[in-house]
Amino acid sequence: NAGVTQTPKFRILKIGQSMTLQCTQDMNHNYMYWYRQDPGMGLKLIYYSVGAGITDKGEVPNGYNVSRSTTEDFPLRLELAAPSQTSVYFCASSPVVAGLIQPQHFGDGTRLSIL
Amino acid sequence: AQTVTQSQPEMSVQEAETVTLSCTYDTSESDYYLFWYKQPPSRQMILVIRQEAYKQQNATENRFSVNFQKAAKSFSLKISDSQLGDAAMYFCAYSSNAGGTSYGKLTFGQGTILTVHP
Repeated sequence: NAGVTQTPKFRILKIGQSMTLQCTQDMNHNYMYWYRQDPGMGLKLIYYSVGAGITDKGEVPNGYNVSRSTTEDFPLRLELAAPSQTSVYFCASSPVVAGLIQPQHFGDGTRLSIL
Repeated sequence: AQTVTQSQPEMSVQEAETVTLSCTYDTSESDYYLFWYKQPPSRQMILVIRQEAYKQQNATENRFSVNFQKAAKSFSLKISDSQLGDAAMYFCAYSSNAGGTSYGKLTFGQGTILTVHP
């Protein structure tokens, strides 16, 4: 099992460029999440999904879009990159056992710099 | 909205000693989970321990234990017999379990950097 895989691990973008951060999990988890972690801070929720075709906004969704066409994949798209989006991005997934959401499994993160 | 506060930006401990990291939270809910996550320099997010709010007994995992004070909304992490490998950023986090609408979303504190001296 690979768990939660994020690509790329590191990327530099120019202001105004767009890109997609990839996230895939092979654990058949229904719940998936995107967080961002600014330097010296805790993680903040950008978007989440409770299953294929269902997504919703988290605390800091502005400037991002997501889609969930399959259980495995949950890509995060930046349309017009801004310096404020320089951050480390984490994808996570959770299983549901006996109706209870279990602790999240995290990917290793993508460090994104926008210059 | 729920908030999580970690008032200690940095803590240090001698190897083999005990250290306690503090966390307070604010919520109007009665059913929730609390977590401690460890983030080493590799930036992996590693679950250390989880506490269910409806359980009065404090959670323990080997050298890690919590002091959960529900009325005071306090959730501290005690690390016993500290090891060099415990050096990391530690995050306290909250997740609602109320009404089937929480979806496991986590709210994190700002983190505490723990240094372990040999």
